[in-house]
Amino acid sequence: QQPVQSPQAVILREGEDAVINCSSSKALYSVHWYRQKHGEAPVFLMILLKGGEQKGHDKISASFNEKKQQSSLYLTASQLSYSGTYFCGTVNNAGNNRKLIWGLGTSLAVNP
Amino acid sequence: EAGVAQSPRYKIIEKRQSVAFWCNPISGHATLYWYQQILGQGPKLLIQFQNNGVVDDSQLPKDRFSAERLKGVDSTLKIQPAKLEDSAVYLCASSWGGNQPQHFGDGTRLSIL
Repeated sequence: QQPVQSPQAVILREGEDAVINCSSSKALYSVHWYRQKHGEAPVFLMILLKGGEQKGHDKISASFNEKKQQSSLYLTASQLSYSGTYFCGTVNNAGNNRKLIWGLGTSLAVNP
Repeated sequence: EAGVAQSPRYKIIEKRQSVAFWCNPISGHATLYWYQQILGQGPKLLIQFQNNGVVDDSQLPKDRFSAERLKGVDSTLKIQPAKLEDSAVYLCASSWGGNQPQHFGDGTRLSIL
């Protein structure tokens, strides 16, 4: 039931765009996105709670397709500071014990 | 607001020794998590507390790992005895609830010799 992220790794030149996908084999209640820079702890980016919801700040946004059981993270006009590993986390139920299940991560490198 | 505090930042011990980590979550956060992150891998949830009760400890190696959250605030994670494969970064995180954004501490980097 671990979400599957794709691609595993991506290399960009500064200013290019990227899309990271997160798919689940089970129905999704919510999707979380985190970024972890090398040697640092993960940092929360955004959470999507409803099917069809899109959220974003700056040039990083995400969509949530409840029907397809997937979410996508969009990075536009990438900056050097976007480099890191991006993790999606999925919550599969709406019960009291809402457990976040982490994907394996997507490594993103932005070069000058 | 103050972030999640963890100590120590680094720890080096020999195998079969014991070690303890401490975490102070963000004030008011009911949910506290301990993760193990091995180099190159994603965080692996060891234990999740809701206030001072355990919500999930299915991936905690209970023969050597233990954790407690006193009075629903601070938490300690202990390893006794340590094995070589326990070398990892141990991350503590907290959130308002089980489906809320998690805020991480800086982690403790544990090396087992």
